[in-house]
Amino acid sequence: QSVLTQPPSVSGAPGQRVTISCTGGNSNIGAGFDVHWYRQFPGTAPKLLVYGTNKRPSGVPDRFSGSKSGTSASLAITGLQAEDEADYYCQSHDSSLRAWVFGGGTKLIVL
Amino acid sequence: QVQLVQSGAEVKKPGASVTVSCEASGYTFTRYYMHWVRQAPGQGLEWMGIIDPSGGSTNYAQKFQGRVTMTRDTSTSTVYMELSSLRSEDTAVYYCAKDGWQGAFDVWGQGTLVTVSS
Repeated sequence: QSVLTQPPSVSGAPGQRVTISCTGGNSNIGAGFDVHWYRQFPGTAPKLLVYGTNKRPSGVPDRFSGSKSGTSASLAITGLQAEDEADYYCQSHDSSLRAWVFGGGTKLIVL
Repeated sequence: QVQLVQSGAEVKKPGASVTVSCEASGYTFTRYYMHWVRQAPGQGLEWMGIIDPSGGSTNYAQKFQGRVTMTRDTSTSTVYMELSSLRSEDTAVYYCAKDGWQGAFDVWGQGTLVTVSS
């Protein structure tokens, strides 16, 4: 059971907008710790997609955006493309566990 | 460019230990913490611990306390993760990941598959 809760899967058609939620608690997201998002293709290492809740590393298109409210965060993907089909993970820090924590991951399916 | 290169796949018997290495290049090794994360087959990401390459201090996830040891060699810009008393549930891909902007893991190694089987 992950400390951060994500939906197992989300889906959308090409061109559409999808969001992936990440629900935590008062010792992690709700405590003000940054939320980061990673994308992982099968058989490869995760790659940083969004950091500090809503910032993008160089090279990540602005179709990807992050937000946070209370004890939850979200990743939004607009203009969905076939190549966006992958697993997405949120991550934060937890002060009670004194550990970095991940969500269970969400499989994005492009219809 | 910033790169983390890990050692190759390992097959170990239950009860044995394994050491995975992660060689960093393209940045000042001692300036950024390094994390270890593992991923069991078909499962999500699990944080194992962190090491400060500068002073060598560590912080391990409670789950791995007593079984994991993270060390570093500043002369070769390499960090090591040793996991002992291996069991079948430790079969996973192990990643090193550099701590970057605002605590995000900005660069990852390619991963090392550790298989525990009798």
